[in-house]
Amino acid sequence: QSALTQPASVSGSPGQSITISCTGTSSDVGGFNSVSWYQQLPGKTPKLIIFAVDDRPSGVSSRFSGSKSGNTASLTISGLQAEDEADYYCLSFAGSSAPWVIGGGTKVTVL
Amino acid sequence: QVHLVQSGGEVKKPGASVEVSCKASGYSFMKYGITWVRQAPGQGLEWMGWINPYNRNTLYAHKVHHRVIMTTDTDRNTVYMELRGLRSDDTAVYYCARYDFDGRTFDYWGQGTPVTVSS
Repeated sequence: QSALTQPASVSGSPGQSITISCTGTSSDVGGFNSVSWYQQLPGKTPKLIIFAVDDRPSGVSSRFSGSKSGNTASLTISGLQAEDEADYYCLSFAGSSAPWVIGGGTKVTVL
Repeated sequence: QVHLVQSGGEVKKPGASVEVSCKASGYSFMKYGITWVRQAPGQGLEWMGWINPYNRNTLYAHKVHHRVIMTTDTDRNTVYMELRGLRSDDTAVYYCARYDFDGRTFDYWGQGTPVTVSS
């Protein structure tokens, strides 16, 4: 299965909002409300920040929000902070035979 | 508290096999799946496969399906991932993660196991 498409990098100034897109197909992102987002700080393990398109696990900041339109999911980080500088990955369920596809990752830089 | 603890790093020669373990605690082991994801140096995440400890059903990514085997020991709450015929491009950090069926997401991750393939 093909990876989901994410921009290689996104940057913003402290306090700004940024949005990361994750484009798939009708067989994955568009077909299921099962998109997750992960934050990976440098040298660390990925951390779940959004699941089921727009749900946040307990303890995750409300500055992170998710949405989906058609075959594209999005992660928005509002009130950007220096600690948000990390790699972000999207993951989508893609059906029972080839269940999960992962995006190529987006590096977020806080200017 | 959910914990996934993986075995330590490995160095292997090309053609060899490696087995990485993932011991779960803090939840009902049979009610969640375990998935494996790897990350080559400086690269993104790559899904490798999944096992359901309840019925031992497995699904493997097409890229590795002929070389990988995932098994489970329900007495030890442990999942094992064996990768055979190692190549240099298998050099990566291998992560196990818990799969939540309801949320269809990988919610808790192990600390990662670095595997280096080098002659």
